[in-house]
Amino acid sequence: QKEVEQNSGPLSVPEGAIASLNCTYSDRGSQSFFWYRQYSGKSPELIMSIYSNGDKEDGRFTAQLNKASQYVSLLIRDSQPSDSATYLCAGYNAGNNRKLIWGLGTSLAVNP
Amino acid sequence: GAVVSQHPSRVICKSGTSVKIECRSLDFQATTMFWYRQFPKKSLMLMATSNEGSKATYEQGVEKDKFLINHASLTLSTLTVTSAHPEDSSFYICSARDKGQGAGNSPLHFGNGTRLTVT
Repeated sequence: QKEVEQNSGPLSVPEGAIASLNCTYSDRGSQSFFWYRQYSGKSPELIMSIYSNGDKEDGRFTAQLNKASQYVSLLIRDSQPSDSATYLCAGYNAGNNRKLIWGLGTSLAVNP
Repeated sequence: GAVVSQHPSRVICKSGTSVKIECRSLDFQATTMFWYRQFPKKSLMLMATSNEGSKATYEQGVEKDKFLINHASLTLSTLTVTSAHPEDSSFYICSARDKGQGAGNSPLHFGNGTRLTVT
């Protein structure tokens, strides 16, 4: 069973702080990973894609991938109350039948 | 770019009726679309994978005769909930993968979802 695991939270950070969201995956052959943000009652919205080891930055967001440790993270700098949402980590399984495997999501609360 | 339009956003229907949900990729072609459902405070649950011009692939436990999927073109997939019952009330979300990107690398782009309430 290929899995993507996340701490469900809630993760609570003060406004302006760095929020760190973590995700581990079991399929060593997985190559591509994605972070989505989902507000309550809304559909997921793509924030970041990451395909190779290292860091990828986009504005206040930085995704980190460590394939040796099978670990993906998302850092949100200067957190804002509007960042309060559930963050979903997802990765493709390896093999011919490529399917996106989803974590259960981490709930983030940014307190003013 | 990568906009997926889903309609309707909200529907209330009576038990026993059928409801059709449309999912369109507006600025890209999608050979593959995915249908999810999500219950309150629960994770996304993949229902089926819809491939243009062929039959959909349903996940285990999802009744294909109840949830009819048609993917007639590279930009349109529909989900019909037949003979809906209150337990079918849920948030249904479609997503699409850009044909122009690799199947194992491209992210999914989501529609805004359809909140179905069956009374």
